[in-house]
Amino acid sequence: GAVVSQHPSRVICKSGTSVKIECRSLDFQATTMFWYRQFPKQSLMLMATSNEGSKATYEQGVEKDKFLINHASLTLSTLTVTSAHPEDSSFYICSAREPGLTLYNEQFFGPGTRLTVL
Amino acid sequence: SQQGEEDPQALSIQEGENATMNCSYKTSINNLQWYRQNSGRGLVHLILIRSNEREKHSGRLRVTLDTSKKSSSLLITASRAADTASYFCATDRGSTLGRLYFGRGTQLTVWP
Repeated sequence: GAVVSQHPSRVICKSGTSVKIECRSLDFQATTMFWYRQFPKQSLMLMATSNEGSKATYEQGVEKDKFLINHASLTLSTLTVTSAHPEDSSFYICSAREPGLTLYNEQFFGPGTRLTVL
Repeated sequence: SQQGEEDPQALSIQEGENATMNCSYKTSINNLQWYRQNSGRGLVHLILIRSNEREKHSGRLRVTLDTSKKSSSLLITASRAADTASYFCATDRGSTLGRLYFGRGTQLTVWP
């Protein structure tokens, strides 16, 4: 149980295009999902917190107009990288949390999406 | 900015040896978690230790937490080549909202 999927696993796009990444909780309802980005050989940086039915909360320094997050259902959150540029190339990872599943702050992570912007 | 700092940043050992990784953080916490990441893959949750706990075991893993020093250690005993991965600590910075802030990680290589 507690499986999180991401789609696509890899995407290559041209500079200036927008890319949508999906994050799904497969066997539980995720009231909260989180989006991280990870540059090569670096740590995960929290980008935003996505709560079902409300606006996402962005971490300081993350452009909300650049990284659009939608959490329209309890099992799906999407991250859209708008007008992507080469510096947006990164590994994007989502995680999901359902307080009823875990006693504490445990999250379940997706396998990640590798974005390459040419 | 990232919450924690792991050291060493890279660790290379032989199979059968023990691997110790350390993590420091700067704020109060409710709990601290350790995760593992194989190259280019997602994260796997290893262990969670609460702020009122000092030590926790899970199989070959042993985690300690010293809140007075704001530090934690992860010990992997009798390491195997399959343990080769990056290991990250993560804290909640005292929040109950679920956000996690990760350290820089330790790249562990276990040679057969």
